[in-house]
Amino acid sequence: VQLVQSGAEVKKPGASVKVSCKASEYTFIDYYVHWVRQAPGQGLEWMGWNNPNTGATNYARKFQGRVTMTRDTSISTAYMELSRLTSDDTAVYYCAREGPNGSCEFDFWGQGTLVTVSS
Amino acid sequence: EIVLTQSPGTLSLSPGDRATLSCRASQSVSGKYLDWYQQRPGQAPRLLIYGASTRATGVPDRFSGSGSGTDFTLTISNLEPEDVAVYYCQQYDSPLYTFGPGTKLEIK
Repeated sequence: VQLVQSGAEVKKPGASVKVSCKASEYTFIDYYVHWVRQAPGQGLEWMGWNNPNTGATNYARKFQGRVTMTRDTSISTAYMELSRLTSDDTAVYYCAREGPNGSCEFDFWGQGTLVTVSS
Repeated sequence: EIVLTQSPGTLSLSPGDRATLSCRASQSVSGKYLDWYQQRPGQAPRLLIYGASTRATGVPDRFSGSGSGTDFTLTISNLEPEDVAVYYCQQYDSPLYTFGPGTKLEIK
C-alpha cells in the first residue's frame, strides 16, 4: 500500500490550496481516506474523511465551510482543498487510509505535504 | 466531543528501560476505537496499536496496549534508541476522530 502526496505549496493569505493523494497497491474505493494536519511543532489534527466509493464526506466542525474533500476513482487519487487560507493554516497535511480492522485506525499514511501561507 | 489527555508530556528514559504512556479520555471510549501512533522526527505517523491492544502488522512485541473506559496505556519494554518519537493516542466517537496532544519519548 502506498499513498503519495503532491509537493509543497506556498500560498498567500486568502488563497486556496488543493493537495492530492495518489493511492496504489490496494483497491482505492474500498477504504475511506482521511486528512490530518500538523502545524509546526504541534500535534495531529483530524480534518475529515472522504468515502472514495460514494464520494460522501464528513468534516471536522472546525473546517466545515472551508474544506472540500473529493476523489477521482479513475486515477485512484483523493484531494483536499482548503480555502480562505490564513497563516494558521501553515502545516504539514497528511492523507491516511482507514484500515480494514473495524477500529477506525489509520493504517497507512502519505508522506505529508507542507503548505506554507505567507504574504 | 471527547477530549484526550496524554501524560507525561515528555518522558526521558535509558535504553533497556520500560516506558509507560497514559491516555485519558474525558468520557468513556469504546476500546475498539482507541489507537496509538508513533511519529519519529521528520516522519509521518505510523500505526502501532489499534482496538486498544492489537499490534499493527510489523510492530515489535515490545509494544503493548491496554485499558478500557477512560484510561488507556501504551507500554514499551526494553527501550531502544529507535523508539525516540512522539506517541499519540486517537479515538473515534461517531462522527468525530480526535487525537491526544502526544507524549515525547527521549532516550538518554
